[in-house]
Formats: sequence, structure tokens, C-alpha cells
Amino acid sequence: DVKVTQSSRYLVKRTGEKVFLECVQDMDHENMFWYRQDPGLGLRLIYFSYDVKMKEKGDIPEGYSVSREKKERFSLILESASTNQTSMYLCASRSQGPAGELFFGEGSRLTVL
Amino acid sequence: GESVGLHLPTLSVQEGDNSIINCAYSNSASDYFIWYKQESGKGPQFIIDIRSNMDKRQGQRVTVLLNKTVKHLSLQIAATQPGDSAVYFCAEGSWGKFQFGAGTQVVVTP
Repeated sequence: DVKVTQSSRYLVKRTGEKVFLECVQDMDHENMFWYRQDPGLGLRLIYFSYDVKMKEKGDIPEGYSVSREKKERFSLILESASTNQTSMYLCASRSQGPAGELFFGEGSRLTVL
Repeated sequence: GESVGLHLPTLSVQEGDNSIINCAYSNSASDYFIWYKQESGKGPQFIIDIRSNMDKRQGQRVTVLLNKTVKHLSLQIAATQPGDSAVYFCAEGSWGKFQFGAGTQVVVTP
């Protein structure tokens, strides 16, 4: 059974803290993505990666960075968390090519106080 | 900028009836469209997809229709069941980079 696993389902952090959100996929997918999901706004792309050590900005990269040291792992980093980064974060992966579904993790709900 | 949107934020459907969820898109360059279902507390799950060179595709109890003339996408669910209660997202894009709509909440009533 294919799987995208996000390490933390729920996190509570304080403003200014550094936050790591980890994502691992077991499908040997080249492409991995980080989205945030907010009510009424749908899913918005933060960063994505087409290969190891490769990253590209999505639509809302400000305040975030990513790391992809291994093919199966894609990390989202909030260098200094702010309250407006309180959200649901979704990791996804897919295989190479123009088409093909995204496989999503269960999500990480981050609250920044 | 480009956008993908849904006409109705909430759709209430009686069990056994057919559901139709609509989506408008604005990027005429998109060649791939997907519908996802998201149940409470879970990540989105793939339902069905369609390429831009098609206008209809059927799955199990679901049909996706694509009208490129008016840039409209719809998802039809036949004989809606309680398990179909969820938020449904449309997404459009190509080469893996997708834009998602805001979502429609489908509520199935007995």
C-alpha cells in the first residue's frame, strides 16, 4: 500500500521558534510537494522538488524553506514561526511525467501561539 | 493571476440522489484536471482525472466532464451515499504543478 507519512499530526509552537515538518514517501517518487490548506483558500503550493537536492518555489514560499537530501524525504522548515503560519500542512508526492495523481499525507496541523 | 474556483461552497444531497459538483478554471494552458476527495482529518484522495483532449471520463459511480469552451469542469456522483460526505477539490495543471480550487463541502442527508 503506497504511503506518504508526515511525522507530526499536531504541533503547537511559539512565535519565533524554528519548526521542522518531515515527510517520507515509500513509492520512489521523484516529485514531492508541500502545500498549506486554509479554509476557503484550498491548497496553496509552498515548495516542490523534482529531484534530490533540487527545490523550486511554489506560490507562497515566503517564510518557508525546504530540504531534500534523500529521494524519499522532503522537509519543510519555518525558520521563525509566526501566527499567520498557523495552518494545515500537506505533503504530497507523485511520479515523473506530465500527468499522474498526487498522493497526499494525512496532514500536519500547526498552531503558532 | 490564474485561478480555479467552485460555484458552490456547500452542496446538500439526499442519499440515493445524484450529485453534481462544479468547477471553473481560467488557465487555458492546463492539460490535466483532477478531482480529489478529502474526508475529515485526512489528506486528499484521488478520485478521477481527465486530460484536456477528452471531454468525458467515467469511473466507478463517478463521471468527470470537461468543457474547454467555457472552461468548466464537473464531477458527477451517482447514487450518493453517506460515505460520499466530504470536501471535494478540483485541480488543474500540467507537469505536476497544480492549482486547487477552494473546495465544495458535500453533505449527504438520509
